[in-house]
Amino acid sequence: DAKTTQPTSMDCAEGRAANLPCNHSTISGNEYVYWYRQIHSQGPQYIIHGLKNNETNEMASLIITEDRKSSTLILPHATLRDTAVYYCIVRAVYQGAQKLVFGQGTRLTINP
Amino acid sequence: DAGITQSPRHKVTETGTPVTLRCHQTENHRYMYWYRQDPGHGLRLIHYSYGVKDTDKGEVSDGYSVSRSKTEDFLLTLESATSSQTSVYFCAIRTSGKAYEQYFGPGTRLTVT
Repeated sequence: DAKTTQPTSMDCAEGRAANLPCNHSTISGNEYVYWYRQIHSQGPQYIIHGLKNNETNEMASLIITEDRKSSTLILPHATLRDTAVYYCIVRAVYQGAQKLVFGQGTRLTINP
Repeated sequence: DAGITQSPRHKVTETGTPVTLRCHQTENHRYMYWYRQDPGHGLRLIHYSYGVKDTDKGEVSDGYSVSRSKTEDFLLTLESATSSQTSVYFCAIRTSGKAYEQYFGPGTRLTVT
């Protein structure tokens, strides 16, 4: 699995867009980019995933560069409840166990 | 939340006692997982299951066993709890959607004294 690099921490003002970067320069052609987050003391929460096209759902947008070596998770209007640790994971999709490896992630703090 | 519940949510037990944690899902997902989370280590996979009576080890399986006699239940057992097993335990299921994303339960906080 490709290794990912994320900033340790970030701050963002409430109501502004939060842009969380992730580098995955060794990503392979069949590997997806997944984003999860973990709000304090809760279980991790799936946010979004993508292969090469930009993706958007009700929670966030995922922008993947054309060379696929980096991506950005965008929370368009951050609220205090978006304060969490955000994990970028790169993983091939196959029929097997799909074991996820969580790194240290980015601790995002939304400030009032 | 993919219909995942964990029980108990909190437990304090003494060293050497057996402990069983339960994960229950309501949506008939084939794959289920047990993770533990400790400060400085992130989430680590203990065991997973790919069907009834089909299980396999993760990266930190020593001291743990699992069982899955029904699709909806995945049990994690600490045969003889040790203080190093004090942790927060999360259960997860894997969907059969396009990217096989995982959804996690609320967690069980276990303290071994």
